[in-house]
Amino acid sequence: KAGVTQTPRYLIKTRGQQVTLSCSPISGHRSVSWYQQTPGQGLQFLFEYFSETQRNKGNFPGRFSGRQFSNSRSEMNVSTLELGDSALYLCASSLAFRSEQYFGPGTRLTVT
Amino acid sequence: AQTVTQSQPEMSVQEAETVTLSCTYDTSESDYYLFWYKQPPSRQMILVIRQEAYKQQNATENRFSVNFQKAAKSFSLKISDSQLGDAAMYFCAYRSNSGGSNYKLTFGKGTLLTVNP
Repeated sequence: KAGVTQTPRYLIKTRGQQVTLSCSPISGHRSVSWYQQTPGQGLQFLFEYFSETQRNKGNFPGRFSGRQFSNSRSEMNVSTLELGDSALYLCASSLAFRSEQYFGPGTRLTVT
Repeated sequence: AQTVTQSQPEMSVQEAETVTLSCTYDTSESDYYLFWYKQPPSRQMILVIRQEAYKQQNATENRFSVNFQKAAKSFSLKISDSQLGDAAMYFCAYRSNSGGSNYKLTFGKGTLLTVNP
């Protein structure tokens, strides 16, 4: 069974631009969570989706948004990029929202 | 809010030796899971082992085992017969299992493990 896939793997954007990251969960998994990883703040929870509904959201500004499609694929969007948004963005999928989470390889976003 | 603390930013071990990574956490909940994740230089986060708070028996996965002390809120990871492939950043993580809760993972800052040949 294929693992969690994230695209693109690397991305370079300029301040003020917006970006969309994609996550395809493991087949059959209905829950997708997003995390931001930075050297300073470590791993922080962004949001969680289950059956196309956002169940929980972390403490991030409204510039960070996401959605989940009927096939469980998820996207997250960051608008008006800031230098501090440079990070590794990790997606994790699970069968249901109380199940174990399996992580994708991440998308490395660099904002210049 | 739950917090997870890993007091050892870096650890090193000789190949074939045993090493223990420490983790403490703070929660007022009684039903939760604890995890150890490994993140090698490839950056892929890999689940190493998990422990359910209601289970008194410590979890074991091959060379990896935990020492779960619920009253002390301590959750350490022991790696036996260390191998070069064990070199990675190790994260301790907490997840609530209470009904209606946020099931997000709360991570510690990580411990960078170096394995010396």
